[in-house]
Amino acid sequence: GQNIDQPTEMTATEGAIVQINCTYQTSGFNGLFWYQQHAGEAPTFLSYNVLDGLEEKGRFSSFLSRSKGYSYLLLKELQMKDSASYLCAYWGSQGNLIFGKGTKLSVKP
Amino acid sequence: GAVVSQHPSRVICKSGTSVKIECRSLDFQATTMFWYRQFPKQSLMLMATSNEGSKATYEQGVEKDKFLINHASLTLSTLTVTSAHPEDSSFYICSARRSGPGSTEAFFGQGTRLTVV
Repeated sequence: GQNIDQPTEMTATEGAIVQINCTYQTSGFNGLFWYQQHAGEAPTFLSYNVLDGLEEKGRFSSFLSRSKGYSYLLLKELQMKDSASYLCAYWGSQGNLIFGKGTKLSVKP
Repeated sequence: GAVVSQHPSRVICKSGTSVKIECRSLDFQATTMFWYRQFPKQSLMLMATSNEGSKATYEQGVEKDKFLINHASLTLSTLTVTSAHPEDSSFYICSARRSGPGSTEAFFGQGTRLTVV
């Protein structure tokens, strides 16, 4: 991705909590997205943060700090089906999304 | 919610042939659609921006004569991979953003897995 960085891989245990970090640099910031992508499938929308703070949605929460160019996705009560890649993204100048390379999360029993 | 439909989901073609991928917005009008490509273990990379009624805008390094984009209506954009080669094998995904105030989400098609043999 362009000026957007996240860890390549993470491993966590079923039932645990995992935090996936994302740092970015962009002018004209208009919000930060998190998507979930299973192998061979299109991304699925998880969250969108435009203001600082934590937004909670069920087992998933997303945090944003605009001054630090930092976001994280928090997954609670991990399930095996949460094994996937998690992509952070922001709006590009053409209305497209600019994606990080994705964090491949493996949930172990 | 809004839905974007992409077809086909999988295609295998012979080297040198052409393949057309369709992307439709089913319940909203999309003046702009985006075509991404994703190689294994890589991020989604924007290939081109498809504009209804005008020429597509291609990203640097993407050959416009090889990846033909047509956006003839407000609900349909097509990507044609011409003279396909094995290195064009990839996952192609289209996306559309609903126009208008309060639009904060991009909607994705299901993706097309292209294999060139």
